[in-house]
Amino acid sequence: EAQVTQNPRYLITVTGKKLTVTCSQNMNHEYMSWYRQDPGLGLRQIYYSMNVEVTDKGDVPEGYKVSRKEKRNFPLILESPSPNQTSLYFCASSFSTGVAGELFFGEGSRLTVL
Amino acid sequence: GENVEQHPSTLSVQEGDSAVIKCTYSDSASNYFPWYKQELGKGPQLIIDIRSNVGEKKDQRIAVTLNKTAKHFSLHITETQPEDSAVYFCAAGTPSGGSYIPTFGRGTSLIVHP
Repeated sequence: EAQVTQNPRYLITVTGKKLTVTCSQNMNHEYMSWYRQDPGLGLRQIYYSMNVEVTDKGDVPEGYKVSRKEKRNFPLILESPSPNQTSLYFCASSFSTGVAGELFFGEGSRLTVL
Repeated sequence: GENVEQHPSTLSVQEGDSAVIKCTYSDSASNYFPWYKQELGKGPQLIIDIRSNVGEKKDQRIAVTLNKTAKHFSLHITETQPEDSAVYFCAAGTPSGGSYIPTFGRGTSLIVHP
């Protein structure tokens, strides 16, 4: 089954404790991206990757890191989480960066930073 | 960069009524306009999209219209059903430097009352 898998789905952590949210897709997609969703603000892009070893900042990259060592994986790293990073996070992928097409989203990861 | 405005933020209708959600965009280079539906506890899913060489597209009870001159596009849902209750996001896709990154609106929460 074609899918984007995120883990963990739910996480409660404390300020400053490094964490990683993993994202994996099995569709051989070139493009992958991370979004955060906050009430009233919609989906805001954090980072995106057009292919292996190519990453770029989105609209709200502060406090986050990403890496793209393999085509299928795109982890989101919070080196020192703060309460303002409490949010619902979505990973998404798309077949090609050069052609506009459907974004496939994961089920989301709800993060609470105390 | 691109800016997408979406209205209304909340829409409440009776079952069987029609629902219309409107979006405007700022970048005349945008040429791909997808709509995503997000059900409770899930990631957004593409329900319909339109490209700038088309003025209208229909798929059963949903339709999207695009006015390039005015830079606005709309989602129309006819004969609404309770299962249409969800958050809907519009987006505008702009080609830039080999990438095609969508900018999302803030979302519309549609409530269909039985």
